[in-house]
Amino acid sequence: DVKVTQSSRYLVKRTGEKVFLECVQDMDHENMFWYRQDPGLGLRLIYFSYDVKMKEKGDIPEGYSVSREKKERFSLILESASTNQTSMYLCASRPPGQGYEQYFGPGTRLTVT
Amino acid sequence: AQSVTQLGSHVSVSEGALVLLRCNYSSSVPPYLFWYVQYPNQGLQLLLKYTTGATLVKGINGFEAEFKKSETSFHLTKPSAHMSDAAEYFCAVFLDTGRRALTFGSGTRLQVQP
Repeated sequence: DVKVTQSSRYLVKRTGEKVFLECVQDMDHENMFWYRQDPGLGLRLIYFSYDVKMKEKGDIPEGYSVSREKKERFSLILESASTNQTSMYLCASRPPGQGYEQYFGPGTRLTVT
Repeated sequence: AQSVTQLGSHVSVSEGALVLLRCNYSSSVPPYLFWYVQYPNQGLQLLLKYTTGATLVKGINGFEAEFKKSETSFHLTKPSAHMSDAAEYFCAVFLDTGRRALTFGSGTRLQVQP
């Protein structure tokens, strides 16, 4: 079974702090993704990566950056956390090719106060 | 641009009743279509997917969905709801052009009444 793990289930940070959300997958997948989930808005893509050190912006990249130094690990960075970044963050991975599903981690619920 | 529309943010059914969750997509090329389920405080789990071939797709937990190209729809159904089906359901689309990530609908929360 594919396993995608996220470093924290719940996180509380203060406005202005730098925040790191870590995601690790164990299936050697090339593609990894970060989404945020908000009520009524579904999942919105922040960034994705299709290879080590490669990244592409999604629909809402503002205020976020990412890092992928190793294939299995994809980090989301909030350079200076703000209250409007309070949300559920979901990481996913997917093998290369067509028609494959994305495998999701359990999510990190981030609260910025 | 691709988009996914889920009609009804909340759906309530009685236990044993038919479940119907609606999903429409917009795409100029054949899509790959997915339904995911999210139970409270968990990540998303794949229910079923359509890639090519048979348009009626069966998934886990008794769910199925039918791809109707003429209606650009991929509605999710289950003949008889169970209390354990209470969750949030997301429809998603993947196009094999450009964007390499799933685009999700806004989700439908299913309540099952005893």
